[in-house]
Amino acid sequence: DAKTTQPTSMDCAEGRAANLPCNHSTISGNEYVYWYRQIHSQGPQYIIHGLKNNETNEMASLIITEDRKSSTLILPHATLRDTAVYYCIVRNNQGGKLIFGQGTELSVKP
Amino acid sequence: EAQVTQNPRYLITVTGKKLTVTCSQNMNHEYMSWYRQDPGLGLRQIYYSMNVEVTDKGDVPEGYKVSRKEKRNFPLILESPSPNQTSLYFCASSGPRAYNSPLHFGNGTRLTVT
Repeated sequence: DAKTTQPTSMDCAEGRAANLPCNHSTISGNEYVYWYRQIHSQGPQYIIHGLKNNETNEMASLIITEDRKSSTLILPHATLRDTAVYYCIVRNNQGGKLIFGQGTELSVKP
Repeated sequence: EAQVTQNPRYLITVTGKKLTVTCSQNMNHEYMSWYRQDPGLGLRQIYYSMNVEVTDKGDVPEGYKVSRKEKRNFPLILESPSPNQTSLYFCASSGPRAYNSPLHFGNGTRLTVT
């Protein structure tokens, strides 16, 4: 399974869009990009996933570059409750091995 | 309610005393996995199971065992716990196909080995 690279930390002003980047330059054609977040020490929570098209749901938008080597998670109007660690992973249909990395610690400030 | 249930939530034990952390899911998921989380190291996969009787090592399997005798349960076994296994543990499950298979995580088990 491909590995991902994310910045260690980011800040965002409350009410502004938070754009969290993820690099997955070794991604394979059948691997999906998934985003999760973890608030304090709770179990991680699923946010969104995609293969090559951009995706949007009630929580966020996912923008995947055309070459699929990187993606950006967008929280359109960040709130204080969005302060969390955000993990980007890739996953395929065959493999069960998942590599989470350290994620990005997002701090939303008033 | 769809959920992954881990027990216990907190556990304090002594070196060498065998213990089991249970994980159960009610979503009929084929895939289940265990992770440990330590400060500064993120989530690291211990073991995973693609289906009943099929298990495989993740990145940090040393010192752990698992079994998958039935679909809903995936216990994590520490035969002889050591202090370096003090950690926060998470179990997760999902369907087998990546295209529509978000992981569902349990609430975690905080283990302290003295």
